[in-house]
Amino acid sequence: DVKVTQSSRYLVKRTGEKVFLECVQDMDHENMFWYRQDPGLGLRLIYFSYDVKMKEKGDIPEGYSVSREKKERFSLILESASTNQTSMYLCASSSDRDRPLFGTLHFGNGTRLTVT
Amino acid sequence: QKEVEQDPGPLSVPEGAIVSLNCTYSNSAFQYFMWYRQYSRKGPELLMYTYSSGNKEDGRFTAQVDKSSKYISLFIRDSQPSDSATYLCAMNTGFQKLVFGTGTRLLVSP
Repeated sequence: DVKVTQSSRYLVKRTGEKVFLECVQDMDHENMFWYRQDPGLGLRLIYFSYDVKMKEKGDIPEGYSVSREKKERFSLILESASTNQTSMYLCASSSDRDRPLFGTLHFGNGTRLTVT
Repeated sequence: QKEVEQDPGPLSVPEGAIVSLNCTYSNSAFQYFMWYRQYSRKGPELLMYTYSSGNKEDGRFTAQVDKSSKYISLFIRDSQPSDSATYLCAMNTGFQKLVFGTGTRLLVSP
């Protein structure tokens, strides 16, 4: 069974701090994603990566960056955290073996980040 | 206008009821349509997917797509309290990027 593990369940950070959210998957999936989930706005894609060291911007990349140095690990970085980045962050992965359907995303259980 | 619209609910039904969950979308290029279920404090999990127009059944769940109306539905028969969750529709054009609805919260009371 695919497991996507997010390093923290809850995080509280101060405005201006640099924040790292870590995600690890154990199924050798090529694609990894970072979403944020907010009430009334649903899931919005921040960044995704289809290969090691490759990344593409999603719908809301401003204020975020990502790093994928190893296939199993995808990090989301908030360079200078702001209060409007308080949210639930969800990591997901998918396999190219699902092509042409890329809809089988396997999600972690999320990190609830509060920026004060 | 959002690409995918979904009523946030909550939708409250008694156990055993038939539930209808719906999404509308604006992008006619969408080809693959999915329903994810998200329990409280968990990540979403894929429930069903369909390609193009038509119906697909899996146990108590039926997914329906009407591309001419840009409308998709998920029906749950004989609903159970364990079905209480948030249901998110999602769709894509065949590439990695999914577009999600906001989710409908379903509450099934015993």
